[in-house]
Amino acid sequence: GDSVTQMEGPVTLSEEAFLTINCTYTATGYPSLFWYVQYPGEGLQLLLKATKADDKGSNKGFEATYRKETTSFHLEKGSVQVSDSAVYFCALSYSGGGADGLTFGKGTHLIIQP
Amino acid sequence: DAGVTQSPTHLIKTRGQQVTLRCSPKSGHDTVSWYQQALGQGPQFIFQYYEEEERQRGNFPDRFSGHQFPNYSSELNVNALLLGDSALYLCASSHPGTGRIDRYEQYFGPGTRLTVT
Repeated sequence: GDSVTQMEGPVTLSEEAFLTINCTYTATGYPSLFWYVQYPGEGLQLLLKATKADDKGSNKGFEATYRKETTSFHLEKGSVQVSDSAVYFCALSYSGGGADGLTFGKGTHLIIQP
Repeated sequence: DAGVTQSPTHLIKTRGQQVTLRCSPKSGHDTVSWYQQALGQGPQFIFQYYEEEERQRGNFPDRFSGHQFPNYSSELNVNALLLGDSALYLCASSHPGTGRIDRYEQYFGPGTRLTVT
């Protein structure tokens, strides 16, 4: 079946450091890919998405490119802030995310120190 | 505009009991999905309801059942609770509509924390 694998956390960085969180997937078809973020005490929020190969999703300084050849969707940010501390989930679905279930990775806990 | 709401916030049940969790979707949304998130894990898809019917189901036993009402709100029922059912249960709503794929985004509620003792 389909699956998503993320790098294990926690990931601890200093403020203004460069961030990469790795995500790879296994899928039988051609899914859409997502990054969700879960801030402490809050629900999951969609951070960015890409619906086909070579698409780049971006939001709030975060970026991820859908790489079909490496089945990857790594999350990057050039300069992280303390407010970026949260748990980040990579996910996939076949309908853009709304008309079927999402398959999530286990999540990566990001801690940004001032 | 109210987002997705869930009740109750926390719940403690005993093994073998039954539980019902509730979800109200975001205004304008007609599709509700349920997920189970165990501690330290990613959410796992339980099922999705659309037009009052279960449209898709994940790998969960029949002890997990649901319902969607005409106003699009939804319930998740779990029978014969096991210790392993302890988790955060998330509800997400969406509105597939027609046309643009942007409308397919799922919006998540804050979740119900279920503890089974």
